[in-house]
Amino acid sequence: QVQLVQSGSEVKKPGASVKVSCEASGYTFTNYVIHWVRQAPGQRPESMGWINAGNGNTKYSQHFQGRVTISRDTSATTAYMELSSLTSEDTAIFYCARGHSSTNGNNFDSWGQGTLVTVSS
Amino acid sequence: EIVLTQSPATLSLSPGERAILSCRASQGVSSYLAWYQQKPGQAPRLLIYDVSNRATGIPARFSGSGSGTDFTLTISSLEPEDFAVYYCQQRSIWPLTFGGGTKVEIK
Repeated sequence: QVQLVQSGSEVKKPGASVKVSCEASGYTFTNYVIHWVRQAPGQRPESMGWINAGNGNTKYSQHFQGRVTISRDTSATTAYMELSSLTSEDTAIFYCARGHSSTNGNNFDSWGQGTLVTVSS
Repeated sequence: EIVLTQSPATLSLSPGERAILSCRASQGVSSYLAWYQQKPGQAPRLLIYDVSNRATGIPARFSGSGSGTDFTLTISSLEPEDFAVYYCQQRSIWPLTFGGGTKVEIK
């Protein structure tokens, strides 16, 4: 079965960077897009961007442009999301999610368990 | 950016009742509207994509309808496991956006 397993919780100081990993299994990694989604406590999910795991192409939401970098390692079937210049507003759960193949990859049909990132001085 | 507005914010119903959730888009999204269910401490789960297509393994009591700017998720008869928060999401225009959610709670 499809599984996305994310790295563990992080605590960061304002201004620092965080890198979260997402290891995929149960499907052909390079055939799908991987998205990253931020969800602050009690808030709606926010799309941050995606990577085509096959060719490495990326697309970022303007809201995070310049602060986020999404990458992948095909040999490890793992995607990564790095967010820089952290502020308290980045305290959230970050999810990776696989793009649904029937909708050009722009819906999310499998999700990681989430990684809590806490930004605090 | 397309803004999705969901109503009501909270729906208080009993098991066995019908739930009707609404999602309105700030501009037309064609048929590119999906619905997700999220339970506390869990990731969202895809229920419906492209207005009315149920995702794999989703029971038939979940159905979607609508077009353009106005969409509806209907749960025909609530089961105990259906009490959760529901989000709509559009894929018409980047960035992908979600609605603010409707919480379906036990009355």
